[in-house]
Amino acid sequence: SQQGEEDPQALSIQEGENATMNCSYKTSINNLQWYRQNSGRGLVHLILIRSNEREKHSGRLRVTLDTSKKSSSLLITASRAADTASYFCATDSSNQAGTALIFGKGTTLSVSS
Amino acid sequence: SAVISQKPSRDICQRGTSLTIQCQVDSQVTMMFWYRQQPGQSLTLIATANQGSEATYESGFVIDKFPISRPNLTFSTLTVSNMSPEDSSIYLCSVEEKGQGVGELFFGEGSRLTVL
Repeated sequence: SQQGEEDPQALSIQEGENATMNCSYKTSINNLQWYRQNSGRGLVHLILIRSNEREKHSGRLRVTLDTSKKSSSLLITASRAADTASYFCATDSSNQAGTALIFGKGTTLSVSS
Repeated sequence: SAVISQKPSRDICQRGTSLTIQCQVDSQVTMMFWYRQQPGQSLTLIATANQGSEATYESGFVIDKFPISRPNLTFSTLTVSNMSPEDSSIYLCSVEEKGQGVGELFFGEGSRLTVL
């Protein structure tokens, strides 16, 4: 079953603009991760935020986590055409023995030049 | 980070046939995961494959339909049996690497299957 729900499902912006994607989840987590998938390719890990962290930065990426609202956001600043991809949040459950990730439905980002 | 190779990268298959997807990792890993991504959808975990034990399947997936082998710490196969058009998907192999005790997944490029 899917844990995360991203919104919006699709986002179209111009180069240089910021893109914000949101993710909500249902159960308690140990950490939340964001992945990118270029069309038809494998997924690439972007950033991980632990349940005791509220904000994390990596280059042009900024991730926030609000465990009280069970939600996270991914902000891509100064977007580029190369950022065009699908973005997924993924969570592990603090109640599960294994560490397999459960992925959200994803946001498809299109950046035009 | 682990480098994962999957074969085949894509295939077109006839209804009723079976296809085996191979996943090779360039380092020894304990846990390997198989995901399915149906067209326009997110990833759904099929099973977790640990070396030396039976794979653990998620709800909705059974061994008869998706038999998995894990003969060593660098290799796994997933077979999609008795395929139907509904099995048309991208199948992704992934492995976990732990940094500071937290697992991060690395993915192969996926195997895109089209069933006619």
